[in-house]
Amino acid sequence: GQGVEQPDNLMSVEGTFARVNCTYSTSGFNGLSWYQQREGHAPVFLSYVVLDGLKDSGHFSTFLSRSNGYSYLLLTELQIKDSASYLCAVRTPNYNVLYFGSGTKLTVEP
Amino acid sequence: NAGVIQTPRHKVTGKGQEATLWCEPISGHSAVFWYRQTIVQGLEFLTYFRNQAPIDDSGMPKERFSAQMPNQSHSTLKIQSTQPQDSAVYLCASSLGGGLGSYEQYFGPGTRLTVL
Repeated sequence: GQGVEQPDNLMSVEGTFARVNCTYSTSGFNGLSWYQQREGHAPVFLSYVVLDGLKDSGHFSTFLSRSNGYSYLLLTELQIKDSASYLCAVRTPNYNVLYFGSGTKLTVEP
Repeated sequence: NAGVIQTPRHKVTGKGQEATLWCEPISGHSAVFWYRQTIVQGLEFLTYFRNQAPIDDSGMPKERFSAQMPNQSHSTLKIQSTQPQDSAVYLCASSLGGGLGSYEQYFGPGTRLTVL
């Protein structure tokens, strides 16, 4: 089966940082994507990683450890508007289908 | 570029009725995906087309659900004899293709289906 796990909720404070964790156990691995989804809107692509290590994309950074089946999305200098759900999705070799976690709802407080 | 277009945005059906959902992928994208999203199950993969051909429908319920892509500009998801548990937001996404460089999927706004 395809297991992608994320915590349900995360709270942080404006101006600080938040780390959204994702663990996975899938039949094969062909990369991991992160999406942002605001209430009532479609998921929006943020990042894709396939190699181990940290990928810095400015406001968003992503880390991957394939041996541990683990990734995180790091948001720095948080703003209130970063409040949203963040979805982790594993891309399998099976024709690149994405298997999503249930998403982590991030709330950024003043 | 209008993005992925889905119609209708909202649909209400009575139990046992049929529902047809429409998706227009981004022009030039050869891969089309259908997902279903609920609070309980999250975002679940349903089916996938590439160059209009069905590639993987392993996420589709075997009964009552069917998907087609008659041409490169639209795909349909049909649910026969709808049940209350079919209530969900149905999302369509498209991407450039299935190769390693085409990892980004662009999602439509979704169709919220409510079965009474």
